[in-house]
Amino acid sequence: GDSVTQMEGPVTLSEEAFLTINCTYTATGYPSLFWYVQYPGEGLQLLLKATKADDKGSNKGFEATYRKETTSFHLEKGSVQVSDSAVYFCALRSNTGGFKTIFGAGTRLFVKA
Amino acid sequence: DSGVTQTPKHLITATGQRVTLRCSPRSGDLSVYWYQQSLDQGLQFLIQYYNGEERAKGNILERFSAQQFPDLHSELNLSSLELGDSALYFCASSVGISGAKETQYFGPGTRLLVL
Repeated sequence: GDSVTQMEGPVTLSEEAFLTINCTYTATGYPSLFWYVQYPGEGLQLLLKATKADDKGSNKGFEATYRKETTSFHLEKGSVQVSDSAVYFCALRSNTGGFKTIFGAGTRLFVKA
Repeated sequence: DSGVTQTPKHLITATGQRVTLRCSPRSGDLSVYWYQQSLDQGLQFLIQYYNGEERAKGNILERFSAQQFPDLHSELNLSSLELGDSALYFCASSVGISGAKETQYFGPGTRLLVL
């Protein structure tokens, strides 16, 4: 079945460091890919998405490119801030299995001042 | 604010009891999804409703049930509660007609503690 694998955390960075959180997927159909962010005590918020191969999603300085050849959707940010500390979830939604959204395990990011 | 509301925010109950969690989707959204988030299992999809009908089922226990009402709000019923049911329960909604490209919008969650 469809699945999402993302790098284990926690990831600890200093402010202004470069961030990469790896995400790879397996899917039988043509999925859309998403990154969600969960701040402490809150629900998940959509960060960015890409709906077809080679699309780049971007928002708030974060970017991810849908790479079909490597089945990846890695999240990047050039300069992280303390306020980016949160848990990041990679997810896919495909046209098989009733359009269920499959989430990765989440990666916790700590950014130190 | 995603526009999805969930009540109650916190719920403390005892083993063997039954509780009902409520969700109101964003205005115009026809699909409602329920998820369970626990430390050991991560974010698990439970069930989806579209315009009142069950559309997809995930890892939902038989002790759990859900429904979506004509006004599109949804309720998740958890019965014969066990300690392991303690978790955050999220509701999400989407328009429900765009297939794989759809974005789900999440509510703030209900934190359930079973003692």
